[in-house]
Amino acid sequence: NAGVTQTPKFQVLKTGQSMTLQCAQDMNHNSMYWYRQDPGMGLRLIYYSASEGTTDKGEVPNGYNVSRLNKREFSLRLESAAPSQTSVYFCASSERPSGGPNEQFFGPGTRLTVL
Amino acid sequence: QKEVEQNSGPLSVPEGAIASLNCTYSDRVSQSFFWYRQYSGKSPELIMSIYSNGDKEDGRFTAQLNKASQYVSLLIRDSQPSDSATYLCAVFQGGGNKLTFGTGTQLKVEL
Repeated sequence: NAGVTQTPKFQVLKTGQSMTLQCAQDMNHNSMYWYRQDPGMGLRLIYYSASEGTTDKGEVPNGYNVSRLNKREFSLRLESAAPSQTSVYFCASSERPSGGPNEQFFGPGTRLTVL
Repeated sequence: QKEVEQNSGPLSVPEGAIASLNCTYSDRVSQSFFWYRQYSGKSPELIMSIYSNGDKEDGRFTAQLNKASQYVSLLIRDSQPSDSATYLCAVFQGGGNKLTFGTGTQLKVEL
């Protein structure tokens, strides 16, 4: 099993450009998450999908959109990139959406720089 | 007040010693607690989970939970240089379906 995979690994954008970060998991997990990690700020939740067909905002959703394409795939889109979106983006998945243990497993990350 | 607080470190311990990493949280209804290890430039890796008061041991790692004091800790026995990493504490508040992370403690194990 590959676990959680993310593409691309690195990306450089100019301000105003758009892009989509891709995430897939092969663990048959119900829930998927997008985080960003910035120095001194820790991991912050951008959006999550508790189950196929649902998405919800997290702590820092502004400037992002998501799509839960199917049970395996969850994409994150930046419509008009800004330098403040320079960060490391992690996708994660977990078996249960809520009400019980919520062990999340992370992908390798995408390092995004917006100039 | 931050929801999950950790001392950023660095915490330096000699090889073979016990490393003690601490975390406090603010929400009393928190249900599940996790420790992740993150090497520089890599993604977080789950190493321990604990759901009830007391100790939970897994190899060289022991997680300790005290819900009354809103405190969770991670002990690493016989610390090795390969344990040098940032350790993230994460707290799950079931009603909110949200895993909240601390900013992490950097551990350095010195030869």
